[in-house]
Amino acid sequence: DADVTQTPRNRITKTGKRIMLECSQTKGHDRMYWYRQDPGLGLQLIYYSFDVKDINKGEISDGYSVSRQAQAKFSLSLESAIPNQTALYFCATSDSTRGYGYTFGSGTRLTVV
Amino acid sequence: QQQVKQSPQSLIVQKGGISIINCAYENTAFDYFPWYQQFPGKGPALLIAIRPDVSEKKEGRFTISFNKSAKQFSLHIMDSQPGDSATYFCAASPTGRRALTFGSGTRLQVQP
Repeated sequence: DADVTQTPRNRITKTGKRIMLECSQTKGHDRMYWYRQDPGLGLQLIYYSFDVKDINKGEISDGYSVSRQAQAKFSLSLESAIPNQTALYFCATSDSTRGYGYTFGSGTRLTVV
Repeated sequence: QQQVKQSPQSLIVQKGGISIINCAYENTAFDYFPWYQQFPGKGPALLIAIRPDVSEKKEGRFTISFNKSAKQFSLHIMDSQPGDSATYFCAASPTGRRALTFGSGTRLQVQP
């Protein structure tokens, strides 16, 4: 099994719908992140969490919310999806005691029609 | 505001050549500079990283060069191979409770 698992891998949803992307990890890392990837824009930080009770907004948090249900689980919600939220979404984890290297999941490709 | 600027956007190199990707940053508080490699359908994976107390770090065919005064760092891939064809991201972070800021990515194609 993958160290960082994202579900679903692909999703098509309609404008206005609420959708949740889930991320779970088996690495025992304390820090988790959600990034969005768009062609030519790289990876943009949506939200990050340094522990279960520590959640922070990233550079593009508008229209998104998150929940850190446990150390191993970090979900991203789009409250009312819009077409410009069509993108590839990545969850990542890191261990605060072992440096800054991130472990990424394989991504969720979201299409909002 | 893009705090880490990466160039070029795409790069084509012949097998055996040197691939060079450049990044520039603005935030002088940044003190950790990693490079990530991403293959299609996969998440990015850490390739190599450097801190500003050294000017160069080499791991196999991959080298990071760092110029603190110019606020620039670059990735050099020596003897580039077709298997190196991927998207490369530079990133930066300050010490403490911050997340990585990524560059816009470079799509590298190594031709046989």
